[in-house]
Amino acid sequence: QKEVEQDPGPLSVPEGAIVSLNCTYSNSAFQYFMWYRQYSRKGPELLMYTYSSGNKEDGRFTAQVDKSSKYISLFIRDSQPSDSATYLCAMSGVAGGFKTIFGAGTRLFVKA
Amino acid sequence: GAVVSQHPSWVICKSGTSVKIECRSLDFQATTMFWYRQFPKQSLMLMATSNEGSKATYEQGVEKDKFLINHASLTLSTLTVTSAHPEDSSFYICSARWGVGTEAFFGQGTRLTVV
Repeated sequence: QKEVEQDPGPLSVPEGAIVSLNCTYSNSAFQYFMWYRQYSRKGPELLMYTYSSGNKEDGRFTAQVDKSSKYISLFIRDSQPSDSATYLCAMSGVAGGFKTIFGAGTRLFVKA
Repeated sequence: GAVVSQHPSWVICKSGTSVKIECRSLDFQATTMFWYRQFPKQSLMLMATSNEGSKATYEQGVEKDKFLINHASLTLSTLTVTSAHPEDSSFYICSARWGVGTEAFFGQGTRLTVV
């Protein structure tokens, strides 16, 4: 079993839709949770960074962490064609010396 | 967010030569830098972790003599691909963070093509 599971997609939605992306993980020692967006042939860009359980909102993006279920989500409201990219979840914690572990990434296509 | 600059963004080299890739944190001091390799349509594969002033820690299966990593200062880490071969062609990305548990910021990536 991988430490972090993420459906690679692709996920295709119409413009304006609410997008839900999620990851599950197995290591309860993870404390820090991140979402990155990666456009083709570019380095990942940090979107959200959260510590422990709870919600965090930034503009059209909302990150949720449920440590009891070992489940994290990223919601994108009013999705735009420019949101088309690969979204990577990532997490780190005491176990593994705070090495960041990435999910496989979900490819998202937002159709105009 | 913080800025990490990676150079060059792309490079083509002949088989058997060595290539150096630089990763700089421009507006913060990076105590730890990470080097990744990414194949098309795949996720990031961690190659090594480097802490300033100490030897890099390589992931299992990564040849340390092939991929030389130097982290001589708090703002600069380099990855040298020695005696490159076509199978080393890939997208290499660095990331940097200023402290344990803090978020990591990525460079733009370097596309290496070995011919």
